[in-house]
Amino acid sequence: EAQVTQNPRYLITVTGKKLTVTCSQNMNHEYMSWYRQDPGLGLRQIYYSMNVEVTDKGDVPEGYKVSRKEKRNFPLILESPSPNQTSLYFCASGRWGGGYEQFFGPGTRLTVL
Amino acid sequence: SQQGEEDPQALSIQEGENATMNCSYKTSINNLQWYRQNSGRGLVHLILIRSNEREKHSGRLRVTLDTSKKSSSLLITASRAADTASYFCATDAIKTIFGAGTRLFVKA
Repeated sequence: EAQVTQNPRYLITVTGKKLTVTCSQNMNHEYMSWYRQDPGLGLRQIYYSMNVEVTDKGDVPEGYKVSRKEKRNFPLILESPSPNQTSLYFCASGRWGGGYEQFFGPGTRLTVL
Repeated sequence: SQQGEEDPQALSIQEGENATMNCSYKTSINNLQWYRQNSGRGLVHLILIRSNEREKHSGRLRVTLDTSKKSSSLLITASRAADTASYFCATDAIKTIFGAGTRLFVKA
């Protein structure tokens, strides 16, 4: 089944404790992105990647890191989480096929205390 | 951030009625995408409308685009309780900008 998976789905952590949210896609898509979703703000793009070892900042990259060492994986790293990073995070992979269509993971709900 | 804006923020209708959601955007676009999100879950792609199209249909969905006004609308006809979800417009680009979304509630 074609899908984007994220782990963990739920995470409660404390300020300053490094964490990684994994994302993996099995559709061989070149493009992947991370978003955060906050009430009333829709989705805001954190980082995106156009291929292995090619990443770029989205609208809200501060406090986040990403890496793309393999085509299928695109982990999101929070080196020193803070409470304002409490949010719902989505990973997506994308393809161009007449338009840029994205396929989203199920989301990771992160709480930073 | 040049985020899109959607109107209304929330919409409650009866099953069988039509639901119209509007999206305005600030950037120049090639095309515009619409996505649906069931509560707390990942978004699902609904429809793409190209910048040279004024209207596009897909099943019970009708999307319009007015590039001169930088606005788009999504119409769901004969709504069903299962249409209850949030709907977002988004720029058709790798560096994607999403609207804030419209929460639609369809009462059975």
